[in-house]
Amino acid sequence: DAGVTQSPTHLIKTRGQHVTLRCSPISGHKSVSWYQQVLGQGPQFIFQYYEKEERGRGNFPDRFSARQFPNYSSELNVNALLLGDSALYLCASSLDEGYTFGSGTRLTVV
Amino acid sequence: QKEVEQDPGPLSVPEGAIVSLNCTYSNSAFQYFMWYRQYSRKGPELLMYTYSSGNKEDGRFTAQVDKSSKYISLFIRDSQPSDSATYLCAMRKGSGGSYIPTFGRGTSLIVHP
Repeated sequence: DAGVTQSPTHLIKTRGQHVTLRCSPISGHKSVSWYQQVLGQGPQFIFQYYEKEERGRGNFPDRFSARQFPNYSSELNVNALLLGDSALYLCASSLDEGYTFGSGTRLTVV
Repeated sequence: QKEVEQDPGPLSVPEGAIVSLNCTYSNSAFQYFMWYRQYSRKGPELLMYTYSSGNKEDGRFTAQVDKSSKYISLFIRDSQPSDSATYLCAMRKGSGGSYIPTFGRGTSLIVHP
């Protein structure tokens, strides 16, 4: 059974550009969460979606948005990229116990 | 003060040592406690999941929760070089999908041969 898959694995963008990151959850998991992990820090919560509805939002600016599709896959969009947006972006899907993370998308903003 | 505090290390131990990793927290509403292992440039991998106070053992790993002290621990017995990774604690208030886990910053563990 496939785990959580994220694409792309690596991405380099220029300041001011827009980026879209994609996530496919484990089959049967209806909840998808997005986290940002800066080097040397723990994951910081960005969004959670369940059954296509936003269930939670972390302390991130409006430049960050997300959505979930009928097949439960999800996209994270970031507009007007800043250098500080450089990080590992993690997607996790869950039932009740714990979260299962994907390998992440490493975003570098130059 | 952060809700979850975790010493970033690094913690360097010889192969075969017993490792103790710890987190403290401030929110008494946390009931579910998790430990994740994260290898460099990979996503976190769930190691242990415990509810409320007590111990849980899985192979060489033991998770311990002391809610009265707001303190959780992960013990690794007979540590191996392959255990070298960052260990993240996480905790949440409930088991339902709407409860968002809060993570510590992670402790870097190095097990040298």
